[in-house]
Amino acid sequence: KNEVEQSPQNLTAQEGEFITINCSYSVGISALHWLQQHPGGGIVSLFMLSSGKKKHGRLIATINIQEKHSSLHITASHPRDSAVYICAVKGGSNYKLTFGKGTLLTVNP
Amino acid sequence: DSGVTQTPKHLITATGQRVTLRCSPRSGDLSVYWYQQSLDQGLQFLIQYYNGEERAKGNILERFSAQQFPDLHSELNLSSLELGDSALYFCASSGLAGLNTGELFFGEGSRLTVL
Repeated sequence: KNEVEQSPQNLTAQEGEFITINCSYSVGISALHWLQQHPGGGIVSLFMLSSGKKKHGRLIATINIQEKHSSLHITASHPRDSAVYICAVKGGSNYKLTFGKGTLLTVNP
Repeated sequence: DSGVTQTPKHLITATGQRVTLRCSPRSGDLSVYWYQQSLDQGLQFLIQYYNGEERAKGNILERFSAQQFPDLHSELNLSSLELGDSALYFCASSGLAGLNTGELFFGEGSRLTVL
């Protein structure tokens, strides 16, 4: 069983819809990252969270440490948001990241 | 543009060969991380260097090695290549602040195809 589970694996939405991607993990962590990977491969770091909630533009990330769960929300989704969204956790004092398998989001116009 | 440069972008080679992937971190970033992304395994952490020294090791095969040079660029050496080594190899860097904030900057990746 993967230490980091994401759901859904695939998500198709219409432009303007509110999107939620979930990430659950089974180990103690010191931080959780949300990454975005567009077709063609480049990876962009969206958020790093250790508690609470962060917002950047239309993106919101939340984490519940007790429940070992994080969500990434996209408000007013747009076709340019189409990408793979990857959750990654950092355990303890080391700097290794363990990654989820990713969620492929497709936003149709 | 993340400021992290990886070369080559694409590489095709044969089984048994050896290749070197290069990463130049963002100016001033002391930490370099290497990751492998394959279709079946997803993204996996390979190794981290901080200011020339190995800091953390992940699922890196013995056939693979890395180093970070005094100018802070890093190289990942892959030898005795097998078909299963075909993957995207990403480098990321972070600064001193990044060790605490976790902010990572990724390169565009090097796509290795082993035939």
